[in-house]
Amino acid sequence: AQSVSQHNHHVILSEAASLELGCNYSYGGTVNLFWYVQYPGQHLQLLLKYFSGDPLVKGIKGFEAEFIKSKFSFNLRKPSVQWSDTAEYFCAVNARGAAGNKLTFGGGTRVLVKP
Amino acid sequence: EAGVVQSPRYKIIEKKQPVAFWCNPISGHNTLYWYLQNLGQGPELLIRYENEEAVDDSQLPKDRFSAERLKGVDSTLKIQPAELGDSAVYLCASSSLEGELFFGEGSRLTVL
Repeated sequence: AQSVSQHNHHVILSEAASLELGCNYSYGGTVNLFWYVQYPGQHLQLLLKYFSGDPLVKGIKGFEAEFIKSKFSFNLRKPSVQWSDTAEYFCAVNARGAAGNKLTFGGGTRVLVKP
Repeated sequence: EAGVVQSPRYKIIEKKQPVAFWCNPISGHNTLYWYLQNLGQGPELLIRYENEEAVDDSQLPKDRFSAERLKGVDSTLKIQPAELGDSAVYLCASSSLEGELFFGEGSRLTVL
């Protein structure tokens, strides 16, 4: 069974600081990878996704993530955060296979950006 | 284009009472999911539908939870009877063929 691990439960940083959130997954086959964000009081929204091709993917709001297959990782980065990036971030993995789409989420990382 | 619509947004009930949640997925999305999200945790899959067929319900506590998607569009998730530990946010999502999930705003259940 696939699983997703997010290294940090909580991150606190100041505006303009750089952000990197770790995500590792366990699954030996081909995967689709996602980062979702949940702003306070709002629903989950897609930040970015990786299906194939360039392992460095760019998403909305200046976020990017790098897929490193050898490390089973898909870390999320943003060079300079803003107060509005305060949210909870979820990494998710979809194991591609005959069983169809089954998105497994990590436990989430709560990010607080201090103004 | 309308997103995934869920209702009710909030529900407060006493334990042992029944409760039902409704979901209308994005038009054209054949795959529908119900996820459970506890506070401070990531969503956990309860059940996944391909059209009207439940193709993955291994995580659904079938003694008290049930779901249906009769015409392959809308879906309902029911809990009967509810327990204190069922307090959580119940998320509905639908996906395109590419596998990207679109989530509704969730139904927050509080069991007293």
